[in-house]
Amino acid sequence: TQLLEQSPQFLSIQEGENLTVYCNSSSVFSSLQWYRQEPGEGPVLLVTVVTGGEVKKLKRLTFQFGDARKDSSLHITAAQPGDTGLYLCAGAINSARQLTFGSGTQLTVLP
Amino acid sequence: DAGVTQSPTHLIKTRGQQVTLRCSPKSGHDTVSWYQQALGQGPQFIFQYYEEEERQRGNFPDRFSGHQFPNYSSELNVNALLLGDSALYLCASSTTQDRYYGYTFGSGTRLTVV
Repeated sequence: TQLLEQSPQFLSIQEGENLTVYCNSSSVFSSLQWYRQEPGEGPVLLVTVVTGGEVKKLKRLTFQFGDARKDSSLHITAAQPGDTGLYLCAGAINSARQLTFGSGTQLTVLP
Repeated sequence: DAGVTQSPTHLIKTRGQQVTLRCSPKSGHDTVSWYQQALGQGPQFIFQYYEEEERQRGNFPDRFSGHQFPNYSSELNVNALLLGDSALYLCASSTTQDRYYGYTFGSGTRLTVV
């Protein structure tokens, strides 16, 4: 059973469109992180959210942590081909230093 | 400032053999975590090392073992390789000074078992 469920699993959109990726769990996380991974590379940290209801913006990317700290979303405005990649959410439970990753969302932005 | 360095980048092994993968953490980081990632999937936690001891372990068999050295570098060993062990093996480093465990990943070692 996957602790963190991401949806959609695959997403293919045209340049300029908006999109939202979801990360859901039945567990409460002390913090949640979003990573982006390109082929042949390791994941790169985009953001960490720690407070329920927290919203963080990184240029065209908006990240939100659910009020109950069980879910998160990533919204991309006016997607560009450079946004193409595997988007991963990862959560830490309680004081554990172990990060549990979701199954990922493969995003393709077509020019 | 060098990030996380993993070696080798690619490796082909025969079923039943043993393999050792290596990781040098980012400067200033003291914790190393190892993950296995199947193609198109999220990384699966193998184990984590801090102060030269295994601190946490995921749902992987004892064929997977590791070590951390005094300079914080780490090795992942896999014995009796199976075809299903073929995957990208990622090393991630972090520091106990970072309250929210921000990981820095290496580029990984692509292991193919034939």
